Amino acid sequence: NAGVTQTPKFQVLKTGQSMTLQCAQDMNHEYMSWYRQDPGMGLRLIHYSVGAGITDQGEVPNGYNVSRSTTEDFPLRLLSAAPSQTSVYFCASSYTAGRGENTIYFGEGSWLTVV
Amino acid sequence: GESVGLHLPTLSVQEGDNSIINCAYSNSASDYFIWYKQESGKGPQFIIDIRSNMDKRQGQRVTVLLNKTVKHLSLQIAATQPGDSAVYFCALSRPGTYKYIFGTGTRLKVLA
Repeated sequence: NAGVTQTPKFQVLKTGQSMTLQCAQDMNHEYMSWYRQDPGMGLRLIHYSVGAGITDQGEVPNGYNVSRSTTEDFPLRLLSAAPSQTSVYFCASSYTAGRGENTIYFGEGSWLTVV
Repeated sequence: GESVGLHLPTLSVQEGDNSIINCAYSNSASDYFIWYKQESGKGPQFIIDIRSNMDKRQGQRVTVLLNKTVKHLSLQIAATQPGDSAVYFCALSRPGTYKYIFGTGTRLKVLA
């Protein structure tokens, strides 16, 4: 029962460095997304994908890139890390995009600190 | 703009009592609502969901109530246990999009 798997769990970056947060799901879900969670602000959508080869921006996309070459994987790339990107990142997936029985399943999170 | 708010940032309840966590939303067109539980250091975990054509749904020890008239959603936990201690937040779908709005959460503390 792997579900949604994120790596790494913890990462410290220096300002200006780049890195990729990995996300994989084994539930054959069409919809995958990345959120960041900051104190007092709830989860905010960074990018999402409704299927392989299709991605779109969420609420806070600046500084991040994504790609969806397979159904299973949805990596999040930080292009040039900034202290404002210090946050907890969650990858999530659901069976179909949109409405209906679209329970979103979350990974365990990636704690990122940019110094 | 659209918003989702929780009425209390923290709720303390005695073990064995019932807990009620509330959520208010602004978009009357939202058609799907979810409650999540998030324990410290972990990802949000699905608890229960409800669609807009329902006003009540029950799970194991949990009940979700939806009042579309006043745009209010609540989560009731029966016989609260120490393992229920966590942050609870609601999420709702944005109609016509593939996006969800999340509330900021209520921290439930269970007192022994």
